[in-house]
Amino acid sequence: NAGVTQTPKFRVLKTGQSMTLLCAQDMNHEYMYWYRQDPGMGLRLIHYSVGEGTTAKGEVPDGYNVSRLKKQNFLLGLESAAPSQTSVYFCASSIPGLAVNTQYFGPGTRLTVL
Amino acid sequence: ILNVEQSPQSLHVQEGDSTNFTCSFPSSNFYALHWYRWETAKSPEALFVMTLNGDEKKKGRISATLNTKEGYSYLYIKGSQPEDSATYLCAWNSGYSTLTFGKGTMLLVSP
Repeated sequence: NAGVTQTPKFRVLKTGQSMTLLCAQDMNHEYMYWYRQDPGMGLRLIHYSVGEGTTAKGEVPDGYNVSRLKKQNFLLGLESAAPSQTSVYFCASSIPGLAVNTQYFGPGTRLTVL
Repeated sequence: ILNVEQSPQSLHVQEGDSTNFTCSFPSSNFYALHWYRWETAKSPEALFVMTLNGDEKKKGRISATLNTKEGYSYLYIKGSQPEDSATYLCAWNSGYSTLTFGKGTMLLVSP
């Protein structure tokens, strides 16, 4: 039981490049989330999904797209990376109602955009 | 956006000291309050979830209380140890599918 995994762990991009971050969970959780963590800002929600095929915007969605084609996977895409997107990205998942939506986090992806 | 505030922002104590932090959240539309522990270079891990006014939770030397009417929760650590050094996050659940996180209290415990 791996829990929540994220790929890759580290990445360096040049401005304007695109990339996709993969989040996978093996706990059969319905809800999945993407956050970014910046110094002094805490965790900010980018996008989330309440089920396969559904996505919704969070607090800071601009510059990102997401897809949830399979229940266990949640992809975060950067179409044209900008230095402001340098951050640590965390994925999380939860079961609605169980332990009142306690979220389980992946190990994070550290992204640097030059 | 409704805010969740945590204080203090950071705290430095000596081993053996007891300490506490505060989480303030909107008292309207309350569903649950979560506490997470986040060690450096790791990911946040759930500590407690509380739903009822007056709830108290305890795990070892760490405990938490909840006041939903006035919108605050306290996290207490008794006899702090260096391994307690971490950022402690609280998160407010208003009944929807997302949590609103505070910015955390960073605790450093020196031997």
